[in-house]
Amino acid sequence: GAGVSQSPSNKVTEKGKDVELRCDPISGHTALYWYRQSLGQGLEFLIYFQGNSAPDKSGLPSDRFSAERTGGSVSTLTIQRTQQEDSAVYLCASSPSGTVNYGYTFGSGTRLTVV
Amino acid sequence: GQNIDQPTEMTATEGAIVQINCTYQTSGFNGLFWYQQHAGEAPTFLSYNVLDGLEEKGRFSSFLSRSKGYSYLLLKELQMKDSASYLCALYNQGGKLIFGQGTELSVKP
Repeated sequence: GAGVSQSPSNKVTEKGKDVELRCDPISGHTALYWYRQSLGQGLEFLIYFQGNSAPDKSGLPSDRFSAERTGGSVSTLTIQRTQQEDSAVYLCASSPSGTVNYGYTFGSGTRLTVV
Repeated sequence: GQNIDQPTEMTATEGAIVQINCTYQTSGFNGLFWYQQHAGEAPTFLSYNVLDGLEEKGRFSSFLSRSKGYSYLLLKELQMKDSASYLCALYNQGGKLIFGQGTELSVKP
């Protein structure tokens, strides 16, 4: 597609339930990132995929969070046993390998609300 | 680690010039980005500085001084639509962007 696509755009879930957030990067972009943005805050790095390399998971806040990237394209961020503090906007971004001069392209995000 | 500091809020007048500062402490990085984010929208790329000096793009300019651990974004001829959050981010040697908390700019008539 023309841009980074994320789904769903909004998700309301009950505390304790699992959720899956999807990111479809720009075709051909080998690098994919997940960030989290709480209300009025900056972007918090979660995880980074680059090609076939092992992902950088250093930003995942707990073992309830995990992410996959299948076939080097679509990525899914899974949050198990959601807590109220997980409420935030989850942003995905992608970039072509070795070219960062024009930055990453962000999707519009998934607004997650845990009630 | 990387500490990035930006003012939380700034207010400026339509037509004026505003400078948004970003200071950082880091052991090394490849370059520094500025992003703009309107409320409820995704961040959009503004500029990327690798070398020291000023990069100019129309009404927006960005400056980097590695020796001083300092960058700024300069917005000229402010327009109401420039009201947004401005995010400074370091592109580190591990290949990821580390963001500051952002500066919320309000442009008043």
